[in-house]
Amino acid sequence: DQQVKQNSPSLSVQEGRISILNCDYTNSMFDYFLWYKKYPAEGPTFLISISSIKDKNEDGRFTVFLNKSAKHLSLHIVPSQPGDSAVYFCAAQENTGFQKLVFGTGTRLLVSP
Amino acid sequence: EPEVTQTPSHQVTQMGQEVILRCVPISNHLYFYWYRQILGQKVEFLVSFYNNEISEKSEIFDDQFSVERPDGSNFTLKIRSTKLEDSAMYFCASTRGGSPLHFGNGTRLTVT
Repeated sequence: DQQVKQNSPSLSVQEGRISILNCDYTNSMFDYFLWYKKYPAEGPTFLISISSIKDKNEDGRFTVFLNKSAKHLSLHIVPSQPGDSAVYFCAAQENTGFQKLVFGTGTRLLVSP
Repeated sequence: EPEVTQTPSHQVTQMGQEVILRCVPISNHLYFYWYRQILGQKVEFLVSFYNNEISEKSEIFDDQFSVERPDGSNFTLKIRSTKLEDSAMYFCASTRGGSPLHFGNGTRLTVT
């Protein structure tokens, strides 16, 4: 059951450059999408989200883009910083009122100085 | 900033034993969740809990699992008779409702 897919297990970027993390989904009932960041030995931390009625949401260095027709979303981090090095999870939910999140497998981002 | 706290951070138990994982959600939150992540796999939803009852559960959450909010602060996950395949990181999460989930740092359960 691969309803949410992150096809790149890892990404390396230099400090100051843009990081682009991608996520695809198959369930057309998903209407809310989130990105979580996870450091080792910690739980996932919410980063940014987007509703299906939007195609872009921006928060500081982080921007999420949603392409509903392609069932694709991406997270842009610019400029990337070494402290951004973590595993990034894409997650999605249906509008059920309860946050039964379906997670992707994660992309490990390494930002080198 | 308020946090979701989970204890213990690591629990080792023998197959067939009962285990209770404990969580203290953020105090003004109303919705509580358990998720788990088997090593190398996705974070998976187990159960959601609201108004003192289970609101939704996954197929993983079978009769061996139960949740309880015994007082105003704790939220527990009990596994009655642990199996090797229950070894995973278990994450508790909470939300006020209408806001993203806040996750704890997890309990690593190792079943031997």
